[in-house]
Amino acid sequence: KQEVTQIPAALSVPEGENLVLNCSFTDSAIYNLQWFRQDPGKGLTSLLLIQSSQREQTSGRLNASLDKSSGRSTLYIAASQPGDSATYLCAVRAGRRALTFGSGTRLQVQP
Amino acid sequence: DTGVSQDPRHKITKRGQNVTFRCDPISEHNRLYWYRQTLGQGPEFLTYFQNEAQLEKSRLLSDRFSAERPKGSFSTLEIQRTEQGDSAMYLCASSLASPQETQYFGPGTRLLVL
Repeated sequence: KQEVTQIPAALSVPEGENLVLNCSFTDSAIYNLQWFRQDPGKGLTSLLLIQSSQREQTSGRLNASLDKSSGRSTLYIAASQPGDSATYLCAVRAGRRALTFGSGTRLQVQP
Repeated sequence: DTGVSQDPRHKITKRGQNVTFRCDPISEHNRLYWYRQTLGQGPEFLTYFQNEAQLEKSRLLSDRFSAERPKGSFSTLEIQRTEQGDSAMYLCASSLASPQETQYFGPGTRLLVL
């Protein structure tokens, strides 16, 4: 059974810092990995999707990497802003169509 | 661009009552998923449709839960005889079947069972 773990569970940083969120998964036979953002009480917004054959994806200040063999992904956020405050969720798609999610990292960026 | 919509956004009900939620996916998407999310946790898969066919159900989906997608467009999720443990956010997502399948999520329906 696929399990996804995200570390840390919560993170507080001052505005302007670069930061890294970590995601690990137990079964490396995945199709893709997706990073989402969730604001309190809201749905999920897709940030980046990395196919199993890819090593990284970039969108603006966000960069996600994937090391499938070691079962790890990182989300790098450059020059953090208060508007980045949210919960960040990592999810993998393996043999079935549904996503398996981690519990998320709750990020607070202080002005 | 119309995203995934869900109705209602909030529902408060008493234990033992039945509730029904609706999800309208992005119009050209043929796959539709239901997930449940409790506080402090990531979403957990409940069930998934390709067009009108329900292809997979999680063990979380007890016999009190039923989902339909009658014409391959919108979907409904019904919970019968609700229990306090059913209190959660119910999320719907849709996607287009492709090698680079990306799931797009709706805003969710928050259910509180008293």
